[in-house]
Amino acid sequence: QVQLVESGGGVVQPGRSLRLSCAASGFTFRSFGMHWVRQAPGKGLEWLAVIWYDGSNKYYGDSVKGRFAISRDNSKNTLYLQMNSLRAEDTAVYYCAICGSSWNYFDFWGQGTLVTVSS
Amino acid sequence: SYELTQPPSVSVSPGQTARITCSGDALPKQFGYWYQQKAGQAPVLIIYKDSERPSGIPERFSGSSSGTTVTLTISGVQVEDEADYYCQSSDSSVTHVVFGGGTKLTVL
Repeated sequence: QVQLVESGGGVVQPGRSLRLSCAASGFTFRSFGMHWVRQAPGKGLEWLAVIWYDGSNKYYGDSVKGRFAISRDNSKNTLYLQMNSLRAEDTAVYYCAICGSSWNYFDFWGQGTLVTVSS
Repeated sequence: SYELTQPPSVSVSPGQTARITCSGDALPKQFGYWYQQKAGQAPVLIIYKDSERPSGIPERFSGSSSGTTVTLTISGVQVEDEADYYCQSSDSSVTHVVFGGGTKLTVL
C-alpha cells in the first residue's frame, strides 16, 4: 500500500536550518510529482512547494520562496525540504503529499512531522 | 494574493444534509478540491476536479461548482463525518496552490 513517512522534525532555534525527508513506498515514486504542505498548531493548511516527477520544475508558496528548497532523489524514493532561516512562525506539522492526475492537488498525504522553532 | 473563502463552521444533526461553500474569483476557470481532516490525522482527498469522488469515498459526499463557488454536500451526515473540511484550488496563473481557511463540521 502507498506509504509516505516524514522525518527530520524537531526543535530548532530561530535562524537555524533543518532538512525534512519523506520516504515513499508502495507506488512508483519517480512517476509522480510531490508536494510539501504545513499546518501551524490549531490553524489551516498552507501549501509550500511542489516538484515535478523528474525534478525539472518547482513552484513555491510566497511565504517560503527563497528560504525553503524542495528536492528529490528518485533512486532513494525520497523527497526533501531544506528549510533555512527558520522563524517562530514556521512552527507547524509538515506533510508531504503525492500529486494527483494534475500537479495542483494532493492525492495522498503522509502523517506529518512536527517542527518547532523556539529558542 | 489569491484567497478562497469558506464559512468557519457548519452544524447539522445526524441524517441531515450539510453543505459547505467555498468562494474564489478563479474558480470559474480552476477546479476545486475538497479534503477531510479528522482530529489528529492527515487530510484525505474526498472530492477532486469539482465533483469527482476518489475510490473508497462514500457516495454521500458530492461536489458541485457554479460560477465563483464550489460546494461540498454531505447527504445523510453521520457522526463520523465530524471533521474539518478544506477546499483547495489554484490561482489564475496556475503556479500556486491555495487552501480555504477550513470549515469545522459539527454533527450535533
